[in-house]
Amino acid sequence: ETGVTQTPRHLVMGMTNKKSLKCEQHLGHNAMYWYKQSAKKPLELMFVYNFKEQTENNSVPSRFSPECPNSSHLFLHLHTLQPEDSALYLCASSQDGLGLASLNTGELFFGEGSRLTVL
Amino acid sequence: EDKVVQSPLSLVVHEGDTVTLNCSYEVTNFRSLLWYKQEKKAPTFLFMLTSSGIEKKSGRLSSILDKKELFSILNITATQTGDSAVYLCAVELDSNYQLIWGAGTKLIIKP
Repeated sequence: ETGVTQTPRHLVMGMTNKKSLKCEQHLGHNAMYWYKQSAKKPLELMFVYNFKEQTENNSVPSRFSPECPNSSHLFLHLHTLQPEDSALYLCASSQDGLGLASLNTGELFFGEGSRLTVL
Repeated sequence: EDKVVQSPLSLVVHEGDTVTLNCSYEVTNFRSLLWYKQEKKAPTFLFMLTSSGIEKKSGRLSSILDKKELFSILNITATQTGDSAVYLCAVELDSNYQLIWGAGTKLIIKP
């Protein structure tokens, strides 16, 4: 148990469906992240929220829509996805978004991920 | 373009062997280098390195950074089956604190 909980763990959806991924952290952190992990590829940062404000959006298609209602919760809303969007979506948190080295821990806390399959 | 390259992509060894995993990087402004272990889903933190030549150690795992040659190694001695995992390397950028990740090394330890 890492203190970061993601639901659902597995999701299968058609290209016309609308679904959401949820992430909750119980660590009192102020920064939360969405990452996409495809097979044999590096982790791709999608979005960063720091103190509930979105600070990074790495050219992610608009069919992915993040929402951060408070520092403990992060959602990823999915709409009209493509088969190539099938991947493991990882949520992570850190104390704040001002640099891991400054925290002297280098630690991102990851959730177990949501395995998404788009048919 | 900032990039992090890990090698080998995969490695199979026998229990008790020593392994060395490599991470090389080319980034515009380096802040720190991090190692994570991903056994099933959630990557877990191993080390953060900021200075050259200072070894970080945790049990059978150790890591060192060379900022001149732009690489880091992760050593695991007396490997056990529980060390089987994907080992991820990431470099933190000084400009925006973003992490640039490598594709990982998949390590399999055979009994």
